[in-house]
Parts: sequence; structure tokens; C-alpha cells
Amino acid sequence: SAVISQKPSRDICQRGTSLTIQCQVDSQVTMMFWYRQQPGQSLTLIATANQGSEATYESGFVIDKFPISRPNLTFSTLTVSNMSPEDSSIYLCSVDWDRVETQYFGPGTRLLVL
Amino acid sequence: GENVEQHPSTLSVQEGDSAVIKCTYSDSASNYFPWYKQELGKRPQLIIDIRSNVGEKKDQRIAVTLNKTAKHFSLHITETQPEDSAVYFCAASRAKGKLIFGQGTTLQVKP
Repeated sequence: SAVISQKPSRDICQRGTSLTIQCQVDSQVTMMFWYRQQPGQSLTLIATANQGSEATYESGFVIDKFPISRPNLTFSTLTVSNMSPEDSSIYLCSVDWDRVETQYFGPGTRLLVL
Repeated sequence: GENVEQHPSTLSVQEGDSAVIKCTYSDSASNYFPWYKQELGKRPQLIIDIRSNVGEKKDQRIAVTLNKTAKHFSLHITETQPEDSAVYFCAASRAKGKLIFGQGTTLQVKP
């Protein structure tokens, strides 16, 4: 399976600022996704990162708050904009590496907003 | 909308006993059902999955069953060990990539 890395692994940020999270895969993948996992909760899909076009956002998530880039088939970024304490979560990228819907997750980015 | 309900939220078993976690889904078009294990501070790890054309799948001590008519699927862990202690998530998908997760089950295996 693919090796997935995320940067940063964790960060503490001030409210009103923005943080960009990177997701790197060691091989080309068809689909990349971004999830949020709030403390003690389940995983919620934020958006599908589409290569060469705008991301597809799920209900409750908007591009102005969570802009996403995917410049190629191995890399994507998620920005959490104008952060508030409610944005404190783990943000995970995942990939569909083998084109059969199986998703593998990156290690996550633990974000604390003060 | 699409929804996945998972029960129980917590489960405590004695080492060597079996554990069963159940999920129901709302979207009858769902056709892919993975299970993830998440240890504290770690990423979710896929442990087993099943597709709608199969009723049961087994991998060593873990098995998953699917009842499409009733729209529910279950994870069975036999001969539990302390290292099985973790949070387990079920999920369902009908469209490529859109996984809807259950709320999670915290499994504790007591030695």
C-alpha cells in the first residue's frame, strides 16, 4: 500500500490565523480526501481533493473556510482559515490507492486553536 | 440523509471472549462496508471490508457479516486479546470515496 505523510503532525494556533496542512503520498493515487475528527468523535468527510480542478465539498463545509489544492497525483493541501477554537480537531487525509474504494489514512494533523 | 448507526458505544470483554459490534445504514444503495481500528493517538487502520455481493468475509480472528435486506453489518472478533483494545469504526459507501462513518465503539479487552 501507499506511504502517506502529513505535515505538520501537530500545531497550536491563535484564533483568526490560518494553517495549511500538507499530505504527500509516495505513489500516484486517483483520489485523495480530507477528513476531520473532532475530539472523541468519529470521522467526517470534508471534501474530495480533485487533481486539476476544484475540490468537491460535503454539506457543512465551504471553500472559503477549507480551501484545498491538489496540484498533482501525489500531493494535496488543506487550509483551515480564520481559525476558532471550534476548529480544534485532528485533520486526516486519505487516499484510494488501489482504485477499489479502499481508503488508507495519513497519520493526521492535531490542531489546537487557542 | 445518509446515516450509519453503530452499537454499542463501549464494549468490555474478558480476554479470550468474543466481541461483536453492529452497524446499520440508511442508504440502500450502499455497496461497500469497511471497518477501521484506531488506537489512541494513531491513524485509523483498515482491518477488514466487505462488498455488497458477499454475505460474509473472514480474516483470521476477525469476520464481517452483511445483511443487505436488513441494512446491517457486523464485526466479529474471536479469541480477543489485550492488543485488540481500541476504537472501532464501521463505514458505508455507495459512491466512490464518500465514506459515512459510524460513531465508533471503544473496545476494552481485560486480561
